[in-house]
Amino acid sequence: DVKVTQSSRYLVKRTGEKVFLECVQDMDHENMFWYRQDPGLGLRLIYFSYDVKMKEKGDIPEGYSVSREKKERFSLILESASTNQTSMYLCASSLAVYNEQFFGPGTRLTVL
Amino acid sequence: SQKIEQNSEALNIQEGKTATLTCNYTNYSPAYLQWYRQDPGRGPVFLLLIRENEKEKRKERLKVTFDTTLKQSLFHITASQPADSATYLCAPWPSNTGNQFYFGTGTSLTVIP
Repeated sequence: DVKVTQSSRYLVKRTGEKVFLECVQDMDHENMFWYRQDPGLGLRLIYFSYDVKMKEKGDIPEGYSVSREKKERFSLILESASTNQTSMYLCASSLAVYNEQFFGPGTRLTVL
Repeated sequence: SQKIEQNSEALNIQEGKTATLTCNYTNYSPAYLQWYRQDPGRGPVFLLLIRENEKEKRKERLKVTFDTTLKQSLFHITASQPADSATYLCAPWPSNTGNQFYFGTGTSLTVIP
């Protein structure tokens, strides 16, 4: 079974802190994705990566950066957390670009 | 601009009936359309993928249709069960923009015993 794990289920941070969200997949997938999900807005893509060290911006990259140094790991970085980044963050991976995506359990981030 | 619309309201149906969920998209022509299930507090789980050259696809009690002329997909759950209660997301990919990976906002389905 494909497994996508995320470093935390719940996280509380202060405004201005640098926040790291980690995602690891164990199926040797080429593609990895970071989404945020908010009520009424659905899933929105922040960044995706189709290879190690490669990244593409999604719909809402402002205030975020990503890092993919190893194939299995994709990190989302909030450079200076703000209250409007309070959200559910979901990581996903896929074998081919438009194949099914396997999602992690999500990290519910609260920025105070 | 591109738009994806799913049933705007929550859907409540009686156990044993067929649930039909709608996904409409505008201003682009996706080659693939996927359906996912999401339970509260969890990540989405893939259910079915249908390609633009396929009219219909089935998996157990699930059936998906893809009408590229109407720009619509229908998702059916036959003999529905309370365990089918969840939010269902459609994902017509790719889009015309660089993002490519848009999801609908989902339809909340409740199956009443």
